[in-house]
Amino acid sequence: GQNIDQPTEMTATEGAIVQINCTYQTSGFNGLFWYQQHAGEAPTFLSYNVLDGLEEKGRFSSFLSRSKGYSYLLLKELQMKDSASYLCAVSDSNYQLIWGAGTKLIIKP
Amino acid sequence: GAVVSQHPSWVICKSGTSVKIECRSLDFQATTMFWYRQFPKQSLMLMATSNEGSKATYEQGVEKDKFLINHASLTLSTLTVTSAHPEDSSFYICSAREDRDFHEQYFGPGTRLTVT
Repeated sequence: GQNIDQPTEMTATEGAIVQINCTYQTSGFNGLFWYQQHAGEAPTFLSYNVLDGLEEKGRFSSFLSRSKGYSYLLLKELQMKDSASYLCAVSDSNYQLIWGAGTKLIIKP
Repeated sequence: GAVVSQHPSWVICKSGTSVKIECRSLDFQATTMFWYRQFPKQSLMLMATSNEGSKATYEQGVEKDKFLINHASLTLSTLTVTSAHPEDSSFYICSAREDRDFHEQYFGPGTRLTVT
């Protein structure tokens, strides 16, 4: 079967760094996405990785290791507005997104 | 950037009635649209995939006679919840994908449905 695992909830301090991990087992792989979702809103795109390595985009970076079925999202210089759920999703062999349950990130002052 | 709209953004209806939700791609042609449902504190659950001009493909466990999907044009897909019940209350989100880019889905803002 297909499976995406990520922690349910994480807590971090404003100004700090946090890493959200995601492991996956899917039938085929056409890339991995990270989305941010604030409560009551639709997901917004953060990053896309299809090759191994680190992709940096401002305060957010995403890493992929295809051989390990592993990715992480790294958030630096945390701000209160970063409090949200972070969804890991893998595009399978049919280009359909398989979603993780999401990680709720709580930022404390 | 690619923009997807949904209408209405929220709706309250009585049990037994039907509700239609529209999903539009505003600045691109969407050959494929997806409908998701999300319950509180849970992740997105794919309900169905629709391709313009053909019947939707429903995920296992989703009743196609209850959730009618019509993808009439390259910019519009509709989801009709028929004979709604309180357990259908949820956040419904559509997304759209361009034919030339299989790597990204563009999400609408979502529709909050409450059935009383």
